[in-house]
Amino acid sequence: GIQVEQSPPDLILQEGANSTLRCNFSDSVNNLQWFHQNPWGQLINLFYIPSGTKQNGRLSATTVATERYSLLYISSSQTTDSGVYFCALLTQGAQKLVFGQGTRLTINP
Amino acid sequence: EPEVTQTPSHQVTQMGQEVILRCVPISNHLYFYWYRQILGQKVEFLVSFYNNEISEKSEIFDDQFSVERPDGSNFTLKIRSTKLEDSAMYFCASGYTGELFFGEGSRLTVL
Repeated sequence: GIQVEQSPPDLILQEGANSTLRCNFSDSVNNLQWFHQNPWGQLINLFYIPSGTKQNGRLSATTVATERYSLLYISSSQTTDSGVYFCALLTQGAQKLVFGQGTRLTINP
Repeated sequence: EPEVTQTPSHQVTQMGQEVILRCVPISNHLYFYWYRQILGQKVEFLVSFYNNEISEKSEIFDDQFSVERPDGSNFTLKIRSTKLEDSAMYFCASGYTGELFFGEGSRLTVL
């Protein structure tokens, strides 16, 4: 089945720093999503990005489908950015979304 | 903005009891899913549902689990006889064109 690997597993930064989170995947992608799981456990949709680049405020994401990776950039980090970031791929025929192990981001004031 | 809603937000039950978790997907969505997340671990797929039948299920989704879409709007997950290891956050998700949207989760604690 599809393998989704995220790196780094943990990242600790000071407020104001920039960060790059990586997602590698083993199969061609129809759908790739990035989620933020906040401290209350909610999964918040960040990006739906099977290919190309998208930006939303301080966050942006790039997926290079031919090289099977996606990057999530967070600029000028704030403490509210803390949490776990997941990338996930949808299998063919929309059967299931396969999640990576996540990157735990801690932003210290 | 339409959203996936789940009830209850938190349920505590005794081992061996039946539990039903409820979800109202986004109204025009066609694909429905249940996931679970044991505390501190990754989000695990349980089952997908399309056209009123299960399209795929994981090895976790054994005979103790069942899903139903009883009335065209609700989507339920039933655990017939809960075990301690069923304690987790259960997420419902729905999708239409490829992007999936998740509910806020139902935290199940089995004592």
